[in-house]
Amino acid sequence: DAKTTQPPSMDCAEGRAANLPCNHSTISGNEYVYWYRQIHSQGPQYIIHGLKNNETNEMASLIITEDRKSSTLILPHATLRDTAVYYCIVRTPQGGKLIFGQGTELSVKP
Amino acid sequence: DVKVTQSSRYLVKRTGEKVFLECVQDMDHENMFWYRQDPGLGLRLIYFSYDVKMKEKGDIPEGYSVSREKKERFSLILESASTNQTSMYLCASGDVYNEQFFGPGTRLTVL
Repeated sequence: DAKTTQPPSMDCAEGRAANLPCNHSTISGNEYVYWYRQIHSQGPQYIIHGLKNNETNEMASLIITEDRKSSTLILPHATLRDTAVYYCIVRTPQGGKLIFGQGTELSVKP
Repeated sequence: DVKVTQSSRYLVKRTGEKVFLECVQDMDHENMFWYRQDPGLGLRLIYFSYDVKMKEKGDIPEGYSVSREKKERFSLILESASTNQTSMYLCASGDVYNEQFFGPGTRLTVL
């Protein structure tokens, strides 16, 4: 599975959009981009995934660049409850295990 | 809602004890996973199972074993607990092509 690079931490004001970047320059053609988050003392929670088209669900939007070497997770209106560590993971769907890097610690401030 | 439950949120055991961590999922998923999470090391895969009675070693299987007698249940066993197995243990389940769903975690302390 391809390696990902994320900033270690970010701040965001409550009510504003949080844009979390991820670099995955060695991604291969059959690998998807997955995003999970982990709120303190809880298990990781799936957010969204995509292959090459932009995706949106009730939690977030995922923007993948045309060359697929990077992506951005967008939380459109961040709340205090979105404070968590966000993980970007690249894998094939049938790839089994998830390889979690260090992630980005997002702090949403009032 | 998909539910993955783990038998305990907190557990304290003594060195040398045999420890069972139970995980149950209600979504008829084929795959189930056991991870441990430690500060600075992230999540690491211990074992996974892609079918009943099938198991595969993950990245750090030493000191652990697993059991999957029924599709919905995946157990992690510490044959003889040691202090370096103090950790947060996370169970997950998922279909082959979809996301994994995690349980709330068991924080195990070995004294």
